[in-house]
Amino acid sequence: NAGVTQTPKFQVLKTGQSMTLQCAQDMNHEYMSWYRQDPGMGLRLIHYSVGAGITDQGEVPNGYNVSRSTTEDFPLRLLSAAPSQTSVYFCASSGTGDSALGEAFFGQGTRLTVV
Amino acid sequence: GQQVMQIPQYQHVQEGEDFTTYCNSSTTLSNIQWYKQRPGGHPVFLIQLVKSGEVKKQKRLTFQFGEAKKNSSLHITATQTTDVGTYFCAGPYFNKFYFGSGTKLNVKP
Repeated sequence: NAGVTQTPKFQVLKTGQSMTLQCAQDMNHEYMSWYRQDPGMGLRLIHYSVGAGITDQGEVPNGYNVSRSTTEDFPLRLLSAAPSQTSVYFCASSGTGDSALGEAFFGQGTRLTVV
Repeated sequence: GQQVMQIPQYQHVQEGEDFTTYCNSSTTLSNIQWYKQRPGGHPVFLIQLVKSGEVKKQKRLTFQFGEAKKNSSLHITATQTTDVGTYFCAGPYFNKFYFGSGTKLNVKP
């Protein structure tokens, strides 16, 4: 099993450019999420989805859009990149059981630099 | 709002010494999970605790979930250089994972 596949691994953007971070999982998980990780601040939730066609905002959603057209894919779009969006981004998926989120499987991460 | 606090932020130990990181939630959790992230890597699931007062062991790692299901700890006995990394706790709450800020462990050989 590939698990969670996240691309690209590295990206440099100029301020104002847009881009899409791709995320795909092959575990048939309903729950998928995006996080950003900045030094000393842990993992902060950007957006999440509890199933195809359903998305919701996390802790730091501004400047990002998501969509969930299929169970497998959950892309993250940066609309107009800003230096403050320089970070490491992780996609994750989880199974759900007993009305609670289970183990999160993370992608390899995308190291994004906005200049 | 929901918060998960984790201490300490950093811990430097000599190889062979013990290490403990603590996690506290502002609300009662259905379960708590622990993850390890190696330098330059992604978080990897270690364990999930569900029951009040639960204690689980994985070799030199001991995980505890508090009686009120609001706090947890990870204890590593006799650290090794392979234990280097950042350890995160995470509590799911209403369709969101709330991660602690992590404890970065450095082990001197």
